[in-house]
Amino acid sequence: GQQLNQSPQSMFIQEGEDVSMNCTSSSIFNTWLWYKQDPGEGPVLLIALYKAGELTSNGRLTAQFGITRKDSFLNISASIPSDVGIYFCAGQLQGSGNTGKLIFGQGTTLQVKP
Amino acid sequence: EPEVTQTPSHQVTQMGQEVILRCVPISNHLYFYWYRQILGQKVEFLVSFYNNEISEKSEIFDDQFSVERPDGSNFTLKIRSTKLEDSAMYFCASRDRGGNIQYFGAGTRLSVL
Repeated sequence: GQQLNQSPQSMFIQEGEDVSMNCTSSSIFNTWLWYKQDPGEGPVLLIALYKAGELTSNGRLTAQFGITRKDSFLNISASIPSDVGIYFCAGQLQGSGNTGKLIFGQGTTLQVKP
Repeated sequence: EPEVTQTPSHQVTQMGQEVILRCVPISNHLYFYWYRQILGQKVEFLVSFYNNEISEKSEIFDDQFSVERPDGSNFTLKIRSTKLEDSAMYFCASRDRGGNIQYFGAGTRLSVL
């Protein structure tokens, strides 16, 4: 089936450091979303990407949609303790019709040491 | 800010019992979804619902599962006879007609004993 391969699986960094995570797939996506999940909560949208090559920022977060529409990265600059959580990439496959089904990556668990 | 609300936050049930998980999507949204997340794993698509019918379902969504929009606001997921492996977080999501962004509820933790 369709898969999003997300890496790294986990990161343990010092406060103030920059973070980078990415997702790749063999399938083409027409929308790419990055979500953050806190323990016991639902995913919260961070950034949405729609166009190949699109680079979008949201505060200290920057994400880019790959030119081939098969990959994306998320960068967090100057991390702070509240950045702790699980980050998921999620994509809507090209040709998925009107259903809008999202396929999720495995998640990157981020821990920040003050 | 509008949000998706789910109840209950935690449901404990005995194996073989029926459960109904409830969701109130964002009011002007037209597309509704259920996802599942087994502890420590990724979020998995279960079913999408539009115009009062299922538009797509995954292999997980077998005959034991059903969805319903009984009125203009609620969207429910029913599991007819729960199994131990149904224990997971269940998330409801919704989106509007023109957008690709799905907004998620806080989830219902289902524990099957």
